[in-house]
Amino acid sequence: GAGVSQSPSNKVTEKGKDVELRCDPISGHTALYWYRQSLGQGLEFLIYFQGNSAPDKSGLPSDRFSAERTGGSVSTLTIQRTQQEDSAVYLCASSKDRGSPLHFGNGTRLTVT
Amino acid sequence: QQQVKQSPQSLIVQKGGISIINCAYENTAFDYFPWYQQFPGKGPALLIAIRPDVSEKKEGRFTISFNKSAKQFSLHIMDSQPGDSATYFCAAWGAGGGNKLTFGTGTQLKVEL
Repeated sequence: GAGVSQSPSNKVTEKGKDVELRCDPISGHTALYWYRQSLGQGLEFLIYFQGNSAPDKSGLPSDRFSAERTGGSVSTLTIQRTQQEDSAVYLCASSKDRGSPLHFGNGTRLTVT
Repeated sequence: QQQVKQSPQSLIVQKGGISIINCAYENTAFDYFPWYQQFPGKGPALLIAIRPDVSEKKEGRFTISFNKSAKQFSLHIMDSQPGDSATYFCAAWGAGGGNKLTFGTGTQLKVEL
C-alpha cells in the first residue's frame, strides 16, 4: 500500500511569500503530525491532528504557521510571510491512532531566499 | 528545554564493528522509546522500540538497552555494515510529553569498509 505522500518535494520561495505544503496520510490512519527538521537538528513537533478532535497546535512557532486537515484525511500546512529561518524540511507523519508507530513521508524541503 | 538528549552527534565505525548511540531523558512519565533510522532524502523510519518494563530488546543486529533508574537508553548495532550508514534518532513518548514523540537531535553514523 501507499505510504505517506508529501508535495511538493522541494519548494523555493521568496521571503515574504506564502507557501502551502500538502500531506496525504496512509488511508485509515486517524492521527496526523507535522514536524520540522532543520539542518543538523532533530525533529521539532509542530501540530497534531487526531480524528475530529481539536488539533494540538502547541508546537507552531508563530502565528504565521497554520494547518488544517480536511475530511480527516489530507492536511495542508501553510506558512504566511515566509522568513529565511523557515527554511527546513517539513515532515508529515501518520499513525493508526495515538500511540501507534508513526509513518513518515519523505518531506518537503523549503528554501526561503 | 530539551527533554531527550542524544550522543554522539556523529560516529564512524569500521565494518563489522559495534555502533553505540546513547540517549537520556528527563520526563519519568515517558513510557515508549522508539529509534528511527533516516537515509538522505527520506523520512525517518521506525527501526526498533522498547517500553520500560523490559531492560533489553533485540531485533536482528539491533538491540535497545534500557536503564530506567538512570533514565537512559541506547541503541547497539552489531556487525555494522555500510548499508547502516544513516542518521539515527531516539525518541520518547508518554504522559507529560503531550500528543507527540519527542526526538533527540540525531546521530550521523558512517560505517567504513
